Amino acid sequence: EVQLVQSGAEVKKPGESLKISCKGSGYSFTTYWIGWVRQVPGKGLEWMGIIYPGDSDTRFSPSFQGQVTISADKSISTAYLQWNSLKASDTAMYYCARLRRAYSGYDDAFDIWGQGTVVTVSS
Amino acid sequence: DIQMTQSPSTLSASVGDRVTITCRASQSISSWLAWYQQKPGKAPKLLIYKASSLESGVPSRFSGSGSGTEFTLTISSLQPDDFATYYCQQYNSYSTFGPGTKVDIK
Repeated sequence: EVQLVQSGAEVKKPGESLKISCKGSGYSFTTYWIGWVRQVPGKGLEWMGIIYPGDSDTRFSPSFQGQVTISADKSISTAYLQWNSLKASDTAMYYCARLRRAYSGYDDAFDIWGQGTVVTVSS
Repeated sequence: DIQMTQSPSTLSASVGDRVTITCRASQSISSWLAWYQQKPGKAPKLLIYKASSLESGVPSRFSGSGSGTEFTLTISSLQPDDFATYYCQQYNSYSTFGPGTKVDIK
């Protein structure tokens, strides 16, 4: 079964760092782009950025460029989303998701989604 | 950035109704548009890609159409499982999602 399994919920204080993970299984992890999507409570979906685990090519939405880091460790089929200094406004559900086609460009729909990771930032 | 809008923001309908949701892009995106369904507490589910291609396993009552800047998602006969929020997503230039359309029970 093709699936993405994300790390568990996090509660952090403003200014702290955080790295959440997304482990792929059931497919060739290095040949599909993995993206990250934010959903603030009660709001819509925001495309943050995307990585190609095969060569770590990474693209960001202008809204998130410089705010987060996206990385991947292909040896363990895992992608990461990282913050160096969290803000209260980072409180949200974060989804990882796989692009639909292998060996494609980064412009495509997401066909497989992780279950989401809730990040709460509060003093 | 390409901006996406959806209308209506909320739609009240009954089982068996034909439902249409509209998505508009601020500039032409050709056919690079997807539709997702999201239920509370769950991850989105891909329904349609490339404006009109039905994702595998998605019921045929869902269909998509359009190109350029205007797109529609149609549910031909609304089923109880279809009450959810629907999002469009452009992927012509990076990617952006629409604000969503909530389909609730009339």
